Amino acid sequence: DTGVSQNPRHKITKRGQNVTFRCDPISEHNRLYWYRQTLGQGPEFLTYFQNEAQLEKSRLLSDRFSAERPKGSFSTLEIQRTEQGDSAMYLCASSGVGGTGVRANYGYTFGSGTRLTVV
Amino acid sequence: GEDVEQSLFLSVREGDSSVINCTYTDSSSTYLYWYKQEPGAGLQLLTYIFSNMDMKQDQRLTVLLNKKDKHLSLRIADTQTGDSAIYFCAETLIFGQGTELSVKP
Repeated sequence: DTGVSQNPRHKITKRGQNVTFRCDPISEHNRLYWYRQTLGQGPEFLTYFQNEAQLEKSRLLSDRFSAERPKGSFSTLEIQRTEQGDSAMYLCASSGVGGTGVRANYGYTFGSGTRLTVV
Repeated sequence: GEDVEQSLFLSVREGDSSVINCTYTDSSSTYLYWYKQEPGAGLQLLTYIFSNMDMKQDQRLTVLLNKKDKHLSLRIADTQTGDSAIYFCAETLIFGQGTELSVKP
């Protein structure tokens, strides 16, 4: 297993277009997380999955953002009608289970991210 | 809501100790974490501490947790130029803004 893989590495899109990013987590990890990071800021939590269940999505930035993990393996993050303010690095991470609940995980393995530029 | 705060910059001389501080609000986190991000690279988990511990040592790294004050710190002994990076404190799902550590020769 080569770690968390994200595709594409870079995406340039015109304002108003839809974009979709893919994340392949470490195969034995059942939790998958999406974050957004802008320059000079820490990762901003968007949503997370345990297996195929999306357990937290209230922090998705707007209803233009959606995520899926249909078979509990890879996940996609879609942004509809992109805006220039969506330009950022989108990070995916995965983790295994420790103890009970998301508060007991042993830390994330992050992918290299997808850098989105909206022009 | 949940929040994690860190000072933004720290500058030290090579060989000195570095101490990066963090405060958090979510007292229900079972673990607290430190991540490292080098320029142009992804985030790497550096270390973590279980919430019922008050100290954890791992080679040059010492993590101190004051659960009463919700204060976490990361001490790097004998700081090297290769330690220059941004260090993020995190609890459960929430990350701090990061502390940029600059190590001068």
